[in-house]
Amino acid sequence: ETGVTQTPRHLVMGMTNKKSLKCEQHLGHNAMYWYKQSAKKPLELMFVYNFKEQTENNSVPSRFSPECPNSSHLFLHLHTLQPEDSALYLCASSQPGYVGELFFGEGSRLTVL
Amino acid sequence: EDQVTQSPEALRLQEGESSSLNCSYTVSGLRGLFWYRQDPGKGPEFLFTLYSAGEEKEKERLKATLTKKESFLHITAPKPEDSATYLCAVQADAGNNRKLIWGLGTSLAVNP
Repeated sequence: ETGVTQTPRHLVMGMTNKKSLKCEQHLGHNAMYWYKQSAKKPLELMFVYNFKEQTENNSVPSRFSPECPNSSHLFLHLHTLQPEDSALYLCASSQPGYVGELFFGEGSRLTVL
Repeated sequence: EDQVTQSPEALRLQEGESSSLNCSYTVSGLRGLFWYRQDPGKGPEFLFTLYSAGEEKEKERLKATLTKKESFLHITAPKPEDSATYLCAVQADAGNNRKLIWGLGTSLAVNP
C-alpha cells in the first residue's frame, strides 16, 4: 500500500461507546497529524506528533485520546463523545517542519448518536 | 488576527471556461501559502506551495500566483474532472509556526 490509509472509513457510535480510529502512512514521514473537518468550518488541527512524540495538543477535549506507537502509525481513541463531535476525522503526514505540505488519508466519517 | 478568506464560496463553470479562485490573507509575516484540492468524501490533496510575492507554480490546467495580500488559483480551460473543493492555507512566520490557518474553500463545479 502507498500513501496514508485510514480505517474505518465510516463509524457510527453511541455517546457511551469506546472506539478507535487508525491511521497508517507508507511515505517514510516522521510527522503525523489529526485534523477535524466539519461543515462550514475550516480544518481544525487536533494533534501533532513528531518522531512519535506529541508536540501539539490544540486544546482538544480529553474524550479524544491520541496514540502514536511509531512514526508510521497513529490512533485516535474515542470515548464518551458528544453529537457535536460528528465530523470527518483526517489523518495526515509530512516531513518534520513541512507542516503545510501534508499528505492526507481519505478520512474517517464519524457519526455520534 | 491571522485570517484566510477564500472567494467565491462556490463557482460553476462550463467546460473550457477559464476562471480564477481567490485566497486573501492577513498574517504577521508569511512563511508559506498552500493550495489543496479536495474531492467529495476524500482527504485534501496537496497541490502547491508558494513562499514569496511574485512566485508562480503550475500543474496541468492550474496555475497558482502570490502577492503580498492574496493568492490566485487560475484554472485554464477546465474539464469536469477539475470539479472539487479547493482549499487554501497559510503558515505565519511568527509565533507558533507549526500551525496552518485554513480557508473555508471554494467549491468548483465544471459542467460538460
